[in-house]
Amino acid sequence: AQSVAQPEDQVNVAEGNPLTVKCTYSVSGNPYLFWYVQYPNRGLQFLLKYITGDNLVKGSYGFEAEFNKSQTSFHLKKPSALVSDSALYFCAVRDRGDYKLSFGAGTTVTVRA
Amino acid sequence: DAGITQSPRYKITETGRQVTLMCHQTWSHSYMFWYRQDLGHGLRLIYYSAAADITDKGEVPDGYVVSRSKTENFPLTLESATRSQTSVYFCASIRTSGDYNEQFFGPGTRLTVL
Repeated sequence: AQSVAQPEDQVNVAEGNPLTVKCTYSVSGNPYLFWYVQYPNRGLQFLLKYITGDNLVKGSYGFEAEFNKSQTSFHLKKPSALVSDSALYFCAVRDRGDYKLSFGAGTTVTVRA
Repeated sequence: DAGITQSPRYKITETGRQVTLMCHQTWSHSYMFWYRQDLGHGLRLIYYSAAADITDKGEVPDGYVVSRSKTENFPLTLESATRSQTSVYFCASIRTSGDYNEQFFGPGTRLTVL
């Protein structure tokens, strides 16, 4: 079985401040980890993924995420948040041998000007 | 245009009616998925398909039926809609060769069951 936990329903930050969205996962084998973003009334857009290799992965729009195997975490980060980053963010995991994704409940990010 | 399309984008129906949500992808991806999105639950997998004529249940399949006669189409049918099936439904596909591993999502269908 695989699962994802996003412990924060909401994250509020001021524009220009660092942004972190937390994610922890559980999977029986080796994980493939993903972050997606959803803007209002839109579908999910892929941000970044961890497959193998460097634990720090960089993605779209200046986002990055760090894979930590010992803590089973994959936190999303952005050094300087923008108002336009306000959206709903989902972490997802799948086992390397499977194509089905399991999603977290989502974290709503609000960046205030 | 290439990508995943879903139709209709919005649908209002009544309890007990049959409803079919359509999903079409232009990439010829082998795997396709149907999710529902509900507040507090994220996205939950309803059904998925590994190829034409191969489908399997996901986490929340009750009340839904799927078929896949062609690689590019993956319709989802609610045989007798219930209010608990009011949700936003997303279709997705994934390329299973090469370095691509992320799922690509359609724009969603917002379904309201009265």
